[in-house]
Amino acid sequence: DAKTTQPNSMESNEEEPVHLPCNHSTISGTDYIHWYRQLPSQGPEYVIHGLTSNVNNRMASLAIAEDRKSSTLILHRATLRDAAVYYCILKGNTPLVFGKGTRLSVIA
Amino acid sequence: EPEVTQTPSHQVTQMGQEVILRCVPISNHLYFYWYRQILGQKVEFLVSFYNNEISEKSEIFDDQFSVERPDGSNFTLKIRSTKLEDSAMYFCASSPSGSPRNEQFFGPGTRLTVL
Repeated sequence: DAKTTQPNSMESNEEEPVHLPCNHSTISGTDYIHWYRQLPSQGPEYVIHGLTSNVNNRMASLAIAEDRKSSTLILHRATLRDAAVYYCILKGNTPLVFGKGTRLSVIA
Repeated sequence: EPEVTQTPSHQVTQMGQEVILRCVPISNHLYFYWYRQILGQKVEFLVSFYNNEISEKSEIFDDQFSVERPDGSNFTLKIRSTKLEDSAMYFCASSPSGSPRNEQFFGPGTRLTVL
């Protein structure tokens, strides 16, 4: 499976935007970029996914570089409930492969 | 909003005993998965299930593990003879299809403690 690289941790102030980066230089043409998050003591939760174009949903936005070798998950206004581990995963016809993700801390 | 449910939330067992973890996937989903997460470690794929058979499994999913869809709603993971190292959170997930376009919906997990 193609691998992703994410910072181990990031910190944000409440109600500020958060940009979570992910590098995936070995992405293949058919891989989708998925983001999941895991709140403390909970199961993973789907956030957003995309292939080539930027995507928006009620939870977040996903900005995908033109060469698809990197992407950024954008939380427009971080809340305390957004404190979680965020996983960037390349998804082909394979199961989800979770890395260590980025632990996001939100400061009130 | 439909959700994946899992029972029990916490299972304590003695080493060598059999355990069955239960999941009810979202009703119109066709693909089912089990993952596990040892405390402090990554979420790891165990097995995927489609059309009443295993479609893919990881190296972790050895002969001690089995999965079954005994009726139209439940999806179970059986560990035949538990070991201490099986202690982990076990997450069930389901998806409408196996397409990379589709997200997976995860349950809240079962915490398995093997003594």
